[in-house]
Amino acid sequence: SQTIHQWPATLVQPVGSPLSLECTVEGTSNPNLYWYRQAAGRGLQLLFYSVGIGQISSEVPQNLSASRPQDRQFILSSKKLLLSDSGFYLCAWKRREGDTQYFGPGTRLTVL
Amino acid sequence: SQKIEQNSEALNIQEGKTATLTCNYTNYSPAYLQWYRQDPGRGPVFLLLIRENEKEKRKERLKVTFDTTLKQSLFHITASQPADSATYLCALPVSGGYNKLIFGAGTRLAVHP
Repeated sequence: SQTIHQWPATLVQPVGSPLSLECTVEGTSNPNLYWYRQAAGRGLQLLFYSVGIGQISSEVPQNLSASRPQDRQFILSSKKLLLSDSGFYLCAWKRREGDTQYFGPGTRLTVL
Repeated sequence: SQKIEQNSEALNIQEGKTATLTCNYTNYSPAYLQWYRQDPGRGPVFLLLIRENEKEKRKERLKVTFDTTLKQSLFHITASQPADSATYLCALPVSGGYNKLIFGAGTRLAVHP
């Protein structure tokens, strides 16, 4: 069966510090991968998605970036965090030919 | 642009009753629609997918309808239980991009004993 991991689970960072969130998927190959952000009481905002290694599409201009160094690894980064980067970050995967997305447990990021 | 609307107000119902949640969309004719459940502090979990040529779909106590004329989906939970309390999200594929979904903001359901 497939499993998706995210770490860390929670993170408190000062403004201006760097960020690296990691997502890995097990039990499948060539998945589509997605990064979402969810602000408190709000819907899911798609940040990035990837259909293959090194292939990243950005949905929202911001100070965040994403990379996919391996087939089942997706990384969300920032060089300098802003207060507005606080939120709940979710990674998801989808079979290339499927319709359903499967979400990880999320990372709660607080920027102070 | 595509828009999805879900009732932002929480839905409070008594245990044993049927909960009905609404998802409306505009400017689009999606090939399918999905419903997810999200518990506080957790990632969404897929519940049901209904395609444009399906009027209704059931899974245990869950039922989803899809009215492409009204551009609306209804999500029903029959014989609701306190454990059904969660936020329910509807999602549609982004027009022209089958790789992406757009999610509604969700409706919070509270089932009281």
